[in-house]
Amino acid sequence: SQQGEEDPQALSIQEGENATMNCSYKTSINNLQWYRQNSGRGLVHLILIRSNEREKHSGRLRVTLDTSKKSSSLLITASRAADTASYFCATDGRGGSEKLVFGKGTKLTVNP
Amino acid sequence: DVKVTQSSRYLVKRTGEKVFLECVQDMDHENMFWYRQDPGLGLRLIYFSYDVKMKEKGDIPEGYSVSREKKERFSLILESASTNQTSMYLCASRAWQGGRGTQYFGPGTRLLVL
Repeated sequence: SQQGEEDPQALSIQEGENATMNCSYKTSINNLQWYRQNSGRGLVHLILIRSNEREKHSGRLRVTLDTSKKSSSLLITASRAADTASYFCATDGRGGSEKLVFGKGTKLTVNP
Repeated sequence: DVKVTQSSRYLVKRTGEKVFLECVQDMDHENMFWYRQDPGLGLRLIYFSYDVKMKEKGDIPEGYSVSREKKERFSLILESASTNQTSMYLCASRAWQGGRGTQYFGPGTRLLVL
């Protein structure tokens, strides 16, 4: 089964720096989503990018999608301590599958 | 805003007990999901439900069952809890959009089985 794989597993940066996380997947998708999880909490949806889109912005977030390489990246600009969390990509299949498949996440720490 | 609630944030049970985890959503969503999350393994899908009284096995259904009698409520049942079911359990719901769209998550239930 397809699965998103985030890279790196962990990332530590200083406040104000940009953070880039990558996600690779194995099979064709309808769309790819990014979620955020604060420690010990549920996941919160950040952004969805469709397979026919290449880039999408939402506030300080920028997501790119390269379907030829089966990869996506999430960029957080001007990071803040409050951005400290785990970030997951999730993909669904072209077959109209109701299931999302989540990666194992990137743990981001933003130091004040 | 969509709200997904789970009956307990923390739960401690003994091996062999029957455990019910409840999830309720208030947005009339058709799809509901149960995941477990373990360090190093990410989120794994246990069961999901397309609609009332409908259910599908996910990737790791063994040792679990589910119930969806009402649209807003999706219950996860551990028939006989075991220590390897100690985990964080996350419920999610989603509006039917041809299988696409955002999942909305509850806050999670951290279950400890002794």
